[in-house]
Amino acid sequence: AQSVTQPDIHITVSEGASLELRCNYSYGATPYLFWYVQSPGQGLQLLLKYFSGDTLVQGIKGFEAEFKRSQSSFNLRKPSVHWSDAAEYFCAVGEGNNDMRFGAGTRLTVKP
Amino acid sequence: NAGVTQTPKFQVLKTGQSMTLQCAQDMNHEYMSWYRQDPGMGLRLIHYSVGAGITDQGEVPNGYNVSRSTTEDFPLRLLSAAPSQTSVYFCASSRRQGAGTGELFFGEGSRLTVL
Repeated sequence: AQSVTQPDIHITVSEGASLELRCNYSYGATPYLFWYVQSPGQGLQLLLKYFSGDTLVQGIKGFEAEFKRSQSSFNLRKPSVHWSDAAEYFCAVGEGNNDMRFGAGTRLTVKP
Repeated sequence: NAGVTQTPKFQVLKTGQSMTLQCAQDMNHEYMSWYRQDPGMGLRLIHYSVGAGITDQGEVPNGYNVSRSTTEDFPLRLLSAAPSQTSVYFCASSRRQGAGTGELFFGEGSRLTVL
């Protein structure tokens, strides 16, 4: 069955430290891959997406993600976290005309 | 610059009451959808529509009704609210159905509590 797994429910990092949020998926072929961010009290905003081509994708707010086919992963990274990055992050995966499926989310806390 | 607008932002209901969550988009998107967000479960698709007059069920449709009389509006109705429907609800839209369209645009959410 198709699934999207975000293994980390909650991550805490210090401001200025690097960040990596994990996402694994189970799909038959290479799907479309997305990361969304949800700031407190807000809707979801697209950070970045991967359809094909270069496996390292740049997004907004200094985020990037790397698609690794062999590991069925699409991890989100940021070299230096800012306090304003505290939010919940969702990985989403989909194929073709089918609706995207969301992971359970990872809540990021940033320590001063 | 409205995008997707949801109302109300907060609502408290008693078990058995009915209500409608409103959703409107001004981007002329064909596809609109409703999700519910529950802790540890991410977003789950309730109902969706690929155009005016066309609706279909998502992953968790029970207890909810939808209709799409215009391109812009996609209300979600709870006919007889239950405590299990306590959740945060999001409306989303895109040019057409499918992950291949590239992006879903979300409203700010409606927090519903059923007592």
